[in-house]
Amino acid sequence: QLVLTQSPSASASLGASVKLTCTLSSGHSSYAIAWHQQQPEKGPRYLMKVNSDGSHSKGDGIPDRFSGSSSGAERYLTISSLQSEDEADYYCQTWGTGIRVFGGGTKLIVL
Amino acid sequence: EVQLVESGGGLVQPGGSLRLSCAASGFTVTSNYMSWVRQAPGKGLEWVSVIYSGGSTYYADSVKGRFTISRDNSKNTLFLQVNSLRVEDTAVYYCAREAAAAGSRHFDYWGQGTLVTVSS
Repeated sequence: QLVLTQSPSASASLGASVKLTCTLSSGHSSYAIAWHQQQPEKGPRYLMKVNSDGSHSKGDGIPDRFSGSSSGAERYLTISSLQSEDEADYYCQTWGTGIRVFGGGTKLIVL
Repeated sequence: EVQLVESGGGLVQPGGSLRLSCAASGFTVTSNYMSWVRQAPGKGLEWVSVIYSGGSTYYADSVKGRFTISRDNSKNTLFLQVNSLRVEDTAVYYCAREAAAAGSRHFDYWGQGTLVTVSS
């Protein structure tokens, strides 16, 4: 079964960096995923797609502070030079034939 | 510029029906796979349904047999017919466009959402 696992919360200080993790279920380590950001009271916004080889492609207007990487079944979103507006929920998403899957989301708190 | 604008949400009693719409601009709905995603109050994102560019449709188990996804090419609009509504269907419903590249089925554009409240 295709499942994505995320930690419920993370925190980091203003100006620092943070690395969020999304883990693919067993047997699905070759899958690409996408990261989406949802700021408070707003709809989701596409950030980037991250492939199994660590390459990534970002959505329109996404700052260079956001980057993606991979290791095995884990996909990462790194945000550097944290700003207050980065405080949001971050969801990973993947897909198969006739199915789309979201992780449970990580709430990022900027201290 | 790609834009997705949902409408049609509202307050409905359990067992009732609604038809949600998603007006697209900046692309044609038949050229991309299109999905509906929902978010219950205080909860995470849940995929609901997808329609492929060729017309094939798929649904989450939680809505199978009750919801129907469709599109109107002439209006460039995506629809979600929601029937036999339950309290647990209360959520903001988003439409989302999927990337067109083969093997890339991530959502690359989202609408602002429409709220469906199921309550007696």
